[in-house]
Amino acid sequence: GAVVSQHPSWVICKSGTSVKIECRSLDFQATTMFWYRQFPKQSLMLMATSNEGSKATYEQGVEKDKFLINHASLTLSTLTVTSAHPEDSSFYICSARSYRSYNEQFFGPGTRLTVL
Amino acid sequence: AQTVTQSQPEMSVQEAETVTLSCTYDTSESDYYLFWYKQPPSRQMILVIRQEAYKQQNATENRFSVNFQKAAKSFSLKISDSQLGDAAMYFCAYRREYGNKLVFGAGTILRVKS
Repeated sequence: GAVVSQHPSWVICKSGTSVKIECRSLDFQATTMFWYRQFPKQSLMLMATSNEGSKATYEQGVEKDKFLINHASLTLSTLTVTSAHPEDSSFYICSARSYRSYNEQFFGPGTRLTVL
Repeated sequence: AQTVTQSQPEMSVQEAETVTLSCTYDTSESDYYLFWYKQPPSRQMILVIRQEAYKQQNATENRFSVNFQKAAKSFSLKISDSQLGDAAMYFCAYRREYGNKLVFGAGTILRVKS
C-alpha cells in the first residue's frame, strides 16, 4: 500500500513552453501533497504544500505564478511549470500524506525536467 | 528556523561491516520527529527509520538503528551488516510535531564495497 506515482517520469521541452507533472496517490486518499525540487547531488527543497480543495502554500522564494499547483481531488495533484526556462531544469518529486498517516509522507518516483 | 546538518558528504563501508552516518539539527522545539530517508540511484525516496523526540528509546528497524541524543541534538544512523543494496544517498530530515514541512540535510552518499 501507500503508492504514489508521477507522470511523466521524464520530459524534455523547449524554452518558453509549459509543462504539467501529475502526482497520484494510487491506494489512499491524500489530504496533503507536497512538491519538492532536487538539483543533481543536492538535497530536496520543499516548493509548496497543497491541501485538497485549497490553494497551495508556497515556500519563500518560490514563484507561485511560475509553478502552478492544483490539488483538485484526494488522489491527484498537478504541478505546471509555466514558460519554462533552462534554469527550471531539475528533478521534481511529489509526496503525499493521508489523515491516517500524518507522520509519514509517501514519495513519488520523481520527474526529470529538461528545458532546452 | 530549523536546520539539519550532515557533515559527511561521502562514506564507504565494506560489505558486512557496520557504518554510522552523522546528523545534527537545530531547533527550539521540544516535540518533533526525525527521519532517515534512503535515495537509491532510482531516485525513489524510501523511509528508513523514524524517531519521535519524546521517546527516549532509540528506534530500530532490522539492520538499521539510530542513536538519538536529544540534548546534543544529534541523530546518527547505524547500518549493520552492510549490503550492496544499501548503497544510496541518505538524507536526515526533521519535522515539527504538528508541522507539514520536512527539512532535509544535504545528504551523505554511502558506497558499499564488495
